[in-house]
Amino acid sequence: DAKTTQPPSMDCAEGRAANLPCNHSTISGNEYVYWYRQIHSQGPQYIIHGLKNNETNEMASLIITEDRKSSTLILPHATLRDTAVYYCIVRVNAGGTSYGKLTFGQGTILTVHP
Amino acid sequence: GAGVSQSPSNKVTEKGKDVELRCDPISGHTALYWYRQSLGQGLEFLIYFQGNSAPDKSGLPSDRFSAERTGGSVSTLTIQRTQQEDSAVYLCASSPTADSSYNEQFFGPGTRLTVL
Repeated sequence: DAKTTQPPSMDCAEGRAANLPCNHSTISGNEYVYWYRQIHSQGPQYIIHGLKNNETNEMASLIITEDRKSSTLILPHATLRDTAVYYCIVRVNAGGTSYGKLTFGQGTILTVHP
Repeated sequence: GAGVSQSPSNKVTEKGKDVELRCDPISGHTALYWYRQSLGQGLEFLIYFQGNSAPDKSGLPSDRFSAERTGGSVSTLTIQRTQQEDSAVYLCASSPTADSSYNEQFFGPGTRLTVL
């Protein structure tokens, strides 16, 4: 799976949009971009994923650049409960014996403050 | 419905003892994963099951670690002759199937293992 690079930490004011960047310059054509987050003392939680089109769900939006070498996770109105470590992961979705696993990096610690 | 459950939630053991960690995946999920998270470390993949077979065991750190899954449901991770470096939170996740363009993994709360 391709390596990802994320800033170690970011701050955001409550109610504002949080924009979390991720670089994945070595991504392959069959690799998807996934975002998970881990709130303190809990297991990771899936947020969103995409291949090349921008995606939106009830939690967040995912913007993937046209060359697919980077992406941005957007939390449109951050709340204090969004304080967590956010992981950007790229992985294939089918084929081979190891496509099931997620390879977590260090992630970005997002702190939402009042 | 019920999520992924793990037991025990906390386990303290002495160095050299064997431990068993249990994972109950979401009903009907065929794919099951074990990860661990050591203090100050990221999440590390250990093993993946599809049904009862384990196509990927590449993350198991040594032959002291083993896992099995029976009936396509419950999985047990066994650590023999525990060492202090085995201390970590062991996380289990399940997903409906790994062979899909959509593969959200649902994580359990983890088992915190402390080896004294």
